[in-house]
Amino acid sequence: EAQVTQNPRYLITVTGKKLTVTCSQNMNHEYMSWYRQDPGLGLRQIYYSMNVEVTDKGDVPEGYKVSRKEKRNFPLILESPSPNQTSLYFCASRMWQRSSGANVLTFGAGSRLTVL
Amino acid sequence: AQTVTQSQPEMSVQEAETVTLSCTYDTSESDYYLFWYKQPPSRQMILVIRQEAYKQQNATENRFSVNFQKAAKSFSLKISDSQLGDAAMYFCAYRERLGAQKLVFGQGTRLTINP
Repeated sequence: EAQVTQNPRYLITVTGKKLTVTCSQNMNHEYMSWYRQDPGLGLRQIYYSMNVEVTDKGDVPEGYKVSRKEKRNFPLILESPSPNQTSLYFCASRMWQRSSGANVLTFGAGSRLTVL
Repeated sequence: AQTVTQSQPEMSVQEAETVTLSCTYDTSESDYYLFWYKQPPSRQMILVIRQEAYKQQNATENRFSVNFQKAAKSFSLKISDSQLGDAAMYFCAYRERLGAQKLVFGQGTRLTINP
């Protein structure tokens, strides 16, 4: 089954304890992206990657790192988490929709992160 | 920078009736896509419908249709014959056709279906 898989789905951690949220897609997509969702703000892009070893900042990159060593994986790293990074995180990759020719993002199931 | 605004934080509708969710956006580009995503309680982001800016015809997907007004930069979603399973958070989103291809989301509208 074609999908984007994120782990963990839920995590409670403490301030300053490094953590990594993994993201993997099995569709051979070049484009991958991370978003965070907060009430009243919708989803905002953190980082994106157009291909292996190519990453760039989105709108809210502070406090986050990413890497793209392989096409299928795009982990999100919080080196020193803080309470303002408590959020719902989504990884997404770009699927080619044959019926229209437009690229459509496929999202993972989300990771709920709480930083105490 | 492009912005997307959903001015209705919450909406409710009776089952089987029709409801329209509003969305406006701001851009200086002429070639872009607009989307509506549904987020049910499971939190999964599900694409509902997509509109290409160069197409004058409004997109439809079964009970879902849009009213795309390019000059007014308006992109509303109409849900006909509302069903209990339509209850969700709905997000309007914008993306340039080229460039960084970032999806810019609105704040979301929570839709409740009353039985």
